[in-house]
Amino acid sequence: KAGVTQTPRYLIKTRGQQVTLSCSPISGHRSVSWYQQTPGQGLQFLFEYFSETQRNKGNFPGRFSGRQFSNSRSEMNVSTLELGDSALYLCASRLAGDYEQYFGPGTRLTVT
Amino acid sequence: AQSVTQLDSQVPVFEEAPVELRCNYSSSVSVYLFWYVQYPNQGLQLLLKYLSGSTLVESINGFEAEFNKSQTSFHLRKPSVHISDTAEYFCAVSETSGSRLTFGEGTQLTVNP
Repeated sequence: KAGVTQTPRYLIKTRGQQVTLSCSPISGHRSVSWYQQTPGQGLQFLFEYFSETQRNKGNFPGRFSGRQFSNSRSEMNVSTLELGDSALYLCASRLAGDYEQYFGPGTRLTVT
Repeated sequence: AQSVTQLDSQVPVFEEAPVELRCNYSSSVSVYLFWYVQYPNQGLQLLLKYLSGSTLVESINGFEAEFNKSQTSFHLRKPSVHISDTAEYFCAVSETSGSRLTFGEGTQLTVNP
């Protein structure tokens, strides 16, 4: 069974631009969560989607948004990029009712 | 609210030596506990988890962790490490009512020959 895939793997953007990251969960997994990893703040939860509905949201500004499609694929959007948004963005999927999350390789976003 | 503290940011050890990576958590509700490992330029891989039952849990590659409710700890141990165990290790908790993970700051384990 294929693992969680994230595209693109690397991205360079300029301050003020917006960016969209994509995550394809493991087949059959309907829950997708997003995390931000930075050297200063560590791993922080952004949000979780289940069956196209946002179920939980972390403490991030409204510039961070997401959505989930009917095939469980998820996208995360960051508008008006700031230098501090440079991070590794990780996506994780899980089966409904299970607590084990499977992580993708991440998208490395660099904002210049 | 939950929090996780990993007591050591870096742990250098020699190959074949034992190692313990310490993790303490704080929560007002019941939690599930996890250890994840991250190799350079990769995502997180689940190493082991405690959901219920036996407080000692083991992974397939020789790591074990013991849930201690009274001390709110979930320390990770391995009796003999290999060079290939060099990685960053993250302790995490989630409430039993949800799946949102709260992570510790991470411990960089470096195994030297």
